[in-house]
Amino acid sequence: DAGVIQSPRHEVTEMGQEVTLRCKPISGHNSLFWYRQTMMRGLELLIYFNNNVPIDDSGMPEDRFSAKMPNASFSTLKIQPSEPRDSAVYFCASSSGPNPTDTQYFGPGTRLTVL
Amino acid sequence: KQEVTQIPAALSVPEGENLVLNCSFTDSAIYNLQWFRQDPGKGLTSLLLIQSSQREQTSGRLNASLDKSSGRSTLYIAASQPGDSATYLCAVRGGSYIPTFGRGTSLIVHP
Repeated sequence: DAGVIQSPRHEVTEMGQEVTLRCKPISGHNSLFWYRQTMMRGLELLIYFNNNVPIDDSGMPEDRFSAKMPNASFSTLKIQPSEPRDSAVYFCASSSGPNPTDTQYFGPGTRLTVL
Repeated sequence: KQEVTQIPAALSVPEGENLVLNCSFTDSAIYNLQWFRQDPGKGLTSLLLIQSSQREQTSGRLNASLDKSSGRSTLYIAASQPGDSATYLCAVRGGSYIPTFGRGTSLIVHP
C-alpha cells in the first residue's frame, strides 16, 4: 500500500485566494483525520470523519474552513478565503476504525504558505 | 482540558548514548498514550502505543513507560544512532478519538 497520499506537497498562494488540499486514505480505512501543525500551537485536530461522515468538526478554526469526504477514498480540506495566519503544515491521517486503539497513519503533509 | 508537555524541547547527543525523552500530561484519566516520530518534511510514524492498563512497551532499542497516576511517560532510546535524529512527539487520548499532542522533542544524534 502506498500509505496516505496528500496533494499538493507544497502550496504558496496569496491572501484571499481559495486553497484546496487533497487526501487519499489507506484503502480499507474507515476513519480520516485532518490536522494542522504550527510552531505556535503544535499539532491540532481539525476534523474527523468516520465512514465518510463528519463526526466532529469542533477543531475547524472558522467558517473559512470546510472539509468533505465524498467517498471512502478521497477527502478535501478547503480554505476560502485564505489568510496569512493559515500558513501551516496540514496533515491527513487514516485509521481502520474510530477506536483509540486504532493506530493512525499519517500522510506526508501539505506545507501551505499564504502571502 | 488536557495539556501535554514534552521536555526537553531539543536534545543533541553523541552517537552511542542512552537517552530519555519525557512527556507529562495534566489529566490522568487517559485511555492510552502514543509516541510518534516525525522526520523533517514528513508525517508522523507511530513508534509505541501504551494502554492505560500497561506500564511499558518495548520495540527494539525503544522502551516507553507510563505512570498514569503521576501523569508521566518516558521514551528510552538505547545506544542512539544518527538515524534516530528526528522529532519525537507523544499524544494522549482520554477515551475518545481525539489525541492531544505535545510539542515534541527535537533530537540530533551526531557521529
